[in-house]
Amino acid sequence: EIVLTQSPGTLSLSPGERATLSCRASQSVSSSYLAWYQQKPGQAPRLLIYGASSRATGIPDRFSGSGSGTDFTLTISRLEPEDFAVYYCQQYETFGQGTKVEIK
Amino acid sequence: EVQLVESGGGLVKPGGSLRLSCAASGFTFSSYSMNWVRQAPGKGLEWVSSISSSSSYIYYADSVKGRFTISRDNAKNSLYLQMNSLRAEDTAVYYCARDLTSNGPVDYWGQGTLVTVSS
Repeated sequence: EIVLTQSPGTLSLSPGERATLSCRASQSVSSSYLAWYQQKPGQAPRLLIYGASSRATGIPDRFSGSGSGTDFTLTISRLEPEDFAVYYCQQYETFGQGTKVEIK
Repeated sequence: EVQLVESGGGLVKPGGSLRLSCAASGFTFSSYSMNWVRQAPGKGLEWVSSISSSSSYIYYADSVKGRFTISRDNAKNSLYLQMNSLRAEDTAVYYCARDLTSNGPVDYWGQGTLVTVSS
């Protein structure tokens, strides 16, 4: 069973800063099925990135995904106030534990 | 517009049963694999079960295998989750979720329905 480990657990940044979130798999996984989601309090998750690097419909281009094998990254180039949320990576039935991006 | 609306959540005693429903609209329901994903209070996301478009393939998380049953009615554009032998650790918001492709990821989520298992 694949385990996805996200780091850091919490990222404290200011609006306008760059956010780099990591998702590491316990074994090599197909990048075709690596996805990232954003979840705000009281809301359902929203798909941001699929296939490791493809933006979902309507997702701003400040969000980008990269990686292959066991190491994947979600980058938010310049944080907007609405980007402070929890982010999850997923591969098939496995979710990472999440990274909270909070306002510094 | 794609819409997924869950219903059927509530308070149930340990050992009890509950049936969740998800009404889908805004897309050709019969063409998509569907999922149930849950989130315990203050915790992360946990995949629960998946069903292929024609119900040919069904999968469960080990934590619910033998207790939960996923099903769908393509004529009614509806997804279901029958939950039996409920435990306190099943307490969570349950989301109905559509797969982008047959192997995921989820591209649309419902707003969720809360299931609370407590005596």
